[in-house]
Amino acid sequence: AQSVTQPDIHITVSEGASLELRCNYSYGATPYLFWYVQSPGQGLQLLLKYFSGDTLVQGIKGFEAEFKRSQSSFNLRKPSVHWSDAAEYFCAVGALFGNEKLTFGTGTRLTIIP
Amino acid sequence: EPEVTQTPSHQVTQMGQEVILRCVPISNHLYFYWYRQILGQKVEFLVSFYNNEISEKSEIFDDQFSVERPDGSNFTLKIRSTKLEDSAMYFCASRQDSALTNEKLFFGSGTQLSVL
Repeated sequence: AQSVTQPDIHITVSEGASLELRCNYSYGATPYLFWYVQSPGQGLQLLLKYFSGDTLVQGIKGFEAEFKRSQSSFNLRKPSVHWSDAAEYFCAVGALFGNEKLTFGTGTRLTIIP
Repeated sequence: EPEVTQTPSHQVTQMGQEVILRCVPISNHLYFYWYRQILGQKVEFLVSFYNNEISEKSEIFDDQFSVERPDGSNFTLKIRSTKLEDSAMYFCASRQDSALTNEKLFFGSGTQLSVL
C-alpha cells in the first residue's frame, strides 16, 4: 500500500532563512508526487508536482523539490522564506494513470519568526 | 484561476442529525472527490465520482455517507446520522478529464464540520 511520511510535525525558521521540509514515500509503481500548501482558512493549493524528467522541479512561490528515487524522498526547499510562507505543508503521492486517489502525509506546520 | 466553491465554511450539528456539505466544482471538470482532515491528522481520501457514479471509495465511506451530483453543477456529500468522530474539515476537489490523472486537482477551501 502506498504511504507518505512527513517526519517533522512542526518547524520554526527565521524569516530569510532557508527551508527544507522532508517527505518520504512508499509506492509500488512509478510515483506521481505533489506538495500542497494550506494557509489558515484556505484550501489546498498545489505548489509543485513531479512524475518524470528532471528530478529537481520548480514550483510556485519560489519553492522547489528534489526527487531521489534511491532514498524514496521528495523534499521541499526554499532558499529564503518569507513571513507569508507560514502554513501547513502536505506531501502526497498518487498514480500516474487511472483514477487513483492521492495519499497525503500528516503535514508539517511551518512557523516563521521575524 | 478557477475555483472550487464549498458551502458552508463551518457547520455545527447535533450527533445523529443529517448534514449535507455542498460543493460547486469547476464547470468543465468531470472528476470529483471528497477528502477529509480530522484535526491534527492527515488529509484522507473519502470518495471519487465520475460519470454520475462512485468510481472509488475508502473504508471510511460507509453506508452513512453518500454523494450526489443533483443538477450538473453541485456535488454534495451527505452524512445520514452524524457521529462525534465525523467532526473534521471536509475538502471537495475536482479535475478535468485528462489522460494524465491527477494532472491538477483543484481543492476547495473546505467545510469545517463540528458534531456536538
